[in-house]
Amino acid sequence: GAVVSQHPSRVICKSGTSVKIECRSLDFQATTMFWYRQFPKKSLMLMATSNEGSKATYEQGVEKDKFLINHASLTLSTLTVTSAHPEDSSFYICSVPDSSTDTQYFGPGTRLTVL
Amino acid sequence: GEDVEQSLFLSVREGDSSVINCTYTDSSSTYLYWYKQEPGAGLQLLTYIFSNMDMKQDQRLTVLLNKKDKHLSLRIADTQTGDSAIYFCAEILSGGYQKVTFGIGTKLQVIP
Repeated sequence: GAVVSQHPSRVICKSGTSVKIECRSLDFQATTMFWYRQFPKKSLMLMATSNEGSKATYEQGVEKDKFLINHASLTLSTLTVTSAHPEDSSFYICSVPDSSTDTQYFGPGTRLTVL
Repeated sequence: GEDVEQSLFLSVREGDSSVINCTYTDSSSTYLYWYKQEPGAGLQLLTYIFSNMDMKQDQRLTVLLNKKDKHLSLRIADTQTGDSAIYFCAEILSGGYQKVTFGIGTKLQVIP
């Protein structure tokens, strides 16, 4: 079964609104989760590392005030796209690392469309 | 910095073998992964190989690693139409807690 879930799977919103995406680790606790963005015809790009109980670590070029990350518990991280614009339309994917297998499990992704 | 390169497209006939190639630049990579992305779906981990291995076989999948040339390949035997997807090569420097660097993905088209 799924190890990582994301909600919603698809969202369409108007420009200027904020959208929250949830990432849940279903099988194990995760002090760290990762958020990726996939651009059309391009690979995944890491946006930020979500840390439970502390501030997220953002990659260079990613606006932390634009993409708010909250890792409130060991099984849930949220990504909020604030004041969304059409250029924020993308596929957002989270992943959860598993230290016992030394790999990462990816969520199914959330497709965001900003009109 | 890290860089992972893949060809964009591969077309094979059903029943043939598919070979998807990948090159990476960071010699300190310790794990190399192959992910599969079906249309509209998230990434699915197919297999991975440690950098101290040359080959790993898992049913129809064979991963070959040439560490000297920093070349990784994924061979799919007896390719089926259900194998049509985008395949991403990825490297991780030192385990699951580190940043994953992905290639652009190779789109595999299987012709019936």
